[in-house]
Amino acid sequence: SQQGEEDPQALSIQEGENATMNCSYKTSINNLQWYRQNSGRGLVHLILIRSNEREKHSGRLRVTLDTSKKSSSLLITASRAADTASYFCATDATGNQFYFGTGTSLTVIP
Amino acid sequence: DGGITQSPKYLFRKEGQNVTLSCEQNLNHDAMYWYRQDPGQGLRLIYYSQIVNDFQKGDIAEGYSVSREKKESFPLTVTSAQKNPTAFYLCASSTSSDSLYGYTFGSGTRLTVV
Repeated sequence: SQQGEEDPQALSIQEGENATMNCSYKTSINNLQWYRQNSGRGLVHLILIRSNEREKHSGRLRVTLDTSKKSSSLLITASRAADTASYFCATDATGNQFYFGTGTSLTVIP
Repeated sequence: DGGITQSPKYLFRKEGQNVTLSCEQNLNHDAMYWYRQDPGQGLRLIYYSQIVNDFQKGDIAEGYSVSREKKESFPLTVTSAQKNPTAFYLCASSTSSDSLYGYTFGSGTRLTVV
C-alpha cells in the first residue's frame, strides 16, 4: 500500500506553541498534500507540495518534503484553539488518486 | 457559493437494504471521488470518476456501486452485499485527474446499520 503514515497519532499542546506532525510514505510520489478535518466534518485542503519542492509556506503553516527519506512534516506555528482537528497527509504516484494516511489528532489547549 | 453537497447528513439502513448517498458539486470539476472513513482510521477510496459515464474501482469497491450520468452528480449506492457498511462517507472532487490543486470535500454522510 502507498498509504502515508502520520506521526504522532495524537498531539496535545498549549495555545501559542508550535505543533509538528510528520508523514512517511512508501513509494515515489508526484505530489503530497496536507488536509485538516474537524470532528464529524469533511476534509479541508491546506497545502500541496510537489516532489521537486523542499519547503512551502502558507500563513502559519510550513511544510517540508524530503523525497530521499520519503517523509514530510507539517509545522503549525503559534497554534490556536481553532487549530484543534485531525491532520492528514495524502500522497499520489499516478496522479489519478491520492492515498490518505491515518491522521494526527491535534488538541490545542487554551 | 460553489461547493459539494452531500445528503443526507445521517442515514440509517436496515439489514439487507440498499441505500443511495447523494453527492452534487457546482464547481465544474471533472473528477469525483468517494471515500469511506472508519473511526480512528484514514480515508479509503471506494470509487472515482474522471469523466462523465466513466468510473473506476478504488481499493474497497466490493458491495458498492456508482454512476456518473452528469458532471455534477456522483451518487454512491451501498448494497446489501456490503457486510459492514456503518461508516462515515466522504465525497470529493477536483479540477482534473492529476489533482494538482487539491480535493474539495463534502461534509459527509454518516451511515448506520440498524
